[in-house]
Amino acid sequence: DTAVSQTPKYLVTQMGNDKSIKCEQNLGHDTMYWYKQDSKKFLKIMFSYNNKELIINETVPNRFSPKSPDKAHLNLHINSLELGDSAVYFCASSQGLGEWGPLHFGNGTRLTVT
Amino acid sequence: DQQVKQNSPSLSVQEGRISILNCDYTNSMFDYFLWYKKYPAEGPTFLISISSIKDKNEDGRFTVFLNKSAKHLSLHIVPSQPGDSAVYFCAAGGGAQKLVFGQGTRLTINP
Repeated sequence: DTAVSQTPKYLVTQMGNDKSIKCEQNLGHDTMYWYKQDSKKFLKIMFSYNNKELIINETVPNRFSPKSPDKAHLNLHINSLELGDSAVYFCASSQGLGEWGPLHFGNGTRLTVT
Repeated sequence: DQQVKQNSPSLSVQEGRISILNCDYTNSMFDYFLWYKKYPAEGPTFLISISSIKDKNEDGRFTVFLNKSAKHLSLHIVPSQPGDSAVYFCAAGGGAQKLVFGQGTRLTINP
């Protein structure tokens, strides 16, 4: 069974469209994250949620809106997509806040905006 | 300002030899460091970690060394195996409850 699964794996869309990426974890973790891997390959945190509560919101355009319906799910909705949004987006989960147990990552969603 | 840097984008090592991957950080508030391994089309997977109270942590073929005064850590893999070919990310955390990742080093193990 996949521990952290995200869909879709690939997403190709045009500028101006709205799209969503879904993430689910079956590890029973309390905290979930969205990371973005940009063209320079850095993995940068975008958001983290703990038990459905937003904890970290990095400097991300408000076109990006995370939604956590329950602690096992964290979805990412992106409005008015721009060329610069093209990247690989990783969902991750961990046991709790401030506990440096490892993050468990999904396999990523490669978003291409044309 | 990138707080965690891996200055070698790639490294090639012969099978059986030692692989040494390096990572530098700038934020003295970091107190926990991790290494992740990533295969193509997969997410990063946790490899080994070290807290700032230690200077070495070992797990099988993998050893992480931390030099706090130099703000430098390294991952040693010995002996290197073909399955170790992957991208390795170092990450640092502390205080702000988020991990900061480097940009990765692509390790290639040659038979």
